[in-house]
Amino acid sequence: GEDVEQSLFLSVREGDSSVINCTYTDSSSTYLYWYKQEPGAGLQLLTYIFSNMDMKQDQRLTVLLNKKDKHLSLRIADTQTGDSAIYFCAESTRGSSYKLIFGSGTRLLVRP
Amino acid sequence: ETGVTQTPRHLVMGMTNKKSLKCEQHLGHNAMYWYKQSAKKPLELMFVYSLEERVENNSVPSRFSPECPNSSHLFLHLHTLQPEDSALYLCASSQDRGEAFFGQGTRLTVV
Repeated sequence: GEDVEQSLFLSVREGDSSVINCTYTDSSSTYLYWYKQEPGAGLQLLTYIFSNMDMKQDQRLTVLLNKKDKHLSLRIADTQTGDSAIYFCAESTRGSSYKLIFGSGTRLLVRP
Repeated sequence: ETGVTQTPRHLVMGMTNKKSLKCEQHLGHNAMYWYKQSAKKPLELMFVYSLEERVENNSVPSRFSPECPNSSHLFLHLHTLQPEDSALYLCASSQDRGEAFFGQGTRLTVV
């Protein structure tokens, strides 16, 4: 079945780079997303990547996709304390369903 | 501000109460969603409406009843809930099957 997995926790020092990893099982995934959730808030779409792309960069964010290994990563350069949040990976197959499959989320803690 | 507004932000209700959650989107999208976020569990899709017609219902108990009167508004009517229904309920919208934009959520506590 469809499954998305993430590590639960990541701690980095302010100014370092953060790398959050995600693996998925559905080989027909078309779009892969990264969402950010701050405490007490909803999910904010950060970025997404089409399955025919290897990399996408948007300011401090870099998304890498290894479709062969079904591995997705989000790199945050120059991590700031305001980046502390839970980061969710999600995948969808647009052709057949409205359903987004989410991972359990990775809690990122940025230490001063 | 994502363009998706949910009210109330917090709700405490007894197991015999009836209440409703409201969601409004100002993005001109044609699909709306209800998700449930419980502690230590992945987000669970509950319902999807596309062009005001329900297109997905993921085996949700009948004590949750959605309503979509138009493409901008979505409700979740609640009655005789259980304590395990306490969670953050998130509304989202999208244009067709595109990326979803989420509201801030309603934190529901059933006592």
